[in-house]
Order: sequence, then C-alpha cells, then structure tokens
Amino acid sequence: AQKVTQAQTEISVVEKEDVTLDCVYETRDTTYYLFWYKQPPSGELVFLIRRNSFDEQNEISGRYSWNFQKSTSSFNFTITASQVVDSAVYFCALSLSARLNSNSGYALNFGKGTSLLVTP
Amino acid sequence: KAGVTQTPRYLIKTRGQQVTLSCSPISGHRSVSWYQQTPGQGLQFLFEYFSETQRNKGNFPGRFSGRQFSNSRSEMNVSTLELGDSALYLCASSLALGDREINEQYFGPGTRLTVT
Repeated sequence: AQKVTQAQTEISVVEKEDVTLDCVYETRDTTYYLFWYKQPPSGELVFLIRRNSFDEQNEISGRYSWNFQKSTSSFNFTITASQVVDSAVYFCALSLSARLNSNSGYALNFGKGTSLLVTP
Repeated sequence: KAGVTQTPRYLIKTRGQQVTLSCSPISGHRSVSWYQQTPGQGLQFLFEYFSETQRNKGNFPGRFSGRQFSNSRSEMNVSTLELGDSALYLCASSLALGDREINEQYFGPGTRLTVT
C-alpha cells in the first residue's frame, strides 16, 4: 500500500521568510512518481512538479525548490522569500508507474495537505 | 490550449437523488481521473478512464460510477445520494503517452456538490 504523510497541517509565515513543507511517503514499489500540487482558495489544483523514483536530483524553479531523498523517503518543498500569493494548500502525492493497457492506471495518493498562510 | 472543464460548477441535491457530473479533458489527453475532496477524508481517488475503459478504481461503493466517451470526455454518476457525498469532485486529465511513463495530471476547477 502507498501512503503520503504531510505532518504539518498549517504553517504561518511573514512575507519574505523561507518555508519548507515536508512530505514523507511509503511504498514498496521501486518505481514510483512524486508530485506537488497547489490549491489556492479558488479550489483548482495546480500542478507544480513531478519526480520519478530514479531521479534524486534536487530541482529549483524560481523561488521554489524540491529536495528528494530516497534514503529518508522524503520529498520536501521549499519556498524562498515567500509572498502573499503563495498562500494556499499544498499537496504532496504519490503514484505508481503506469503502463498503457494495464490495470494500474494513474491513481494519485494524496497527503492531507499543508495550509500555508503568508502574511504581509 | 483550454484546460480541463467541469460542469456544473455547483450543484445542490437532496438525499436519495442521483447526479451526473461532466468533465472535458485537455485536448489530446486520453486519461481522465476523478477525485473526491472532503474536509475529513481529503483527496481520494475515485476512478480513472482510458480509451473508454475503467483502468483503476478507488475504494468507493458501487453508487459511484463513471464512463468515458470516444472523445475522451467523461461523466461520473452518483446514485442514491447520501449526506456524506457532499464534496468537491475534481476531474483530472493526463496525456497518457508511452509505456511505463506517467504523466502529470491537470485538474479542473471541480464541481461542488451539496446534498441536503
């Protein structure tokens, strides 16, 4: 079975602070994919990043960076110099490898989410 | 390119009724998945369709069903509605290309269903 744990339910920071959102996952599969999604108050989930289990390189995209460590089964997300527009609920998700014409499909297992509030 | 669209955006039903929600994926996307989001259970996978076939199903009762049409558009149906079915229902589409390749899912704005 797969499981994603986001231990931080709510985080509140002041604008320009750096903030890290934690994500710990469990799976027995050797091939899997990890995702981060952002859900602003409007409700629509916005895709941020996908990582496969064979690629442990950290990634940076503007103020966003991700740290993937298989040794600790973690895929943490850091926002540098946070802004009010970063206020949202952030979800980490896990999916197994999918093959066409298989029964596995693309099911995403989501964590409970971390609500980030950035105040001016 | 237009994103994933879902209709209706809001719906109010009474217990015992049934409801049909619609989802149009991004053009060219062949996989459509449905998720239920509630404050208590969070985001839970309902089912996924690819080439008009249900490829995967989450742990939901048989009252929840879906289908996909030849143009990849999808509908989900909930029969005999219960109060606990009140939720945000999200549809996601994925390109679904290549063996052993998993593509990110792009979500629609959701349908907010309220059961009274």
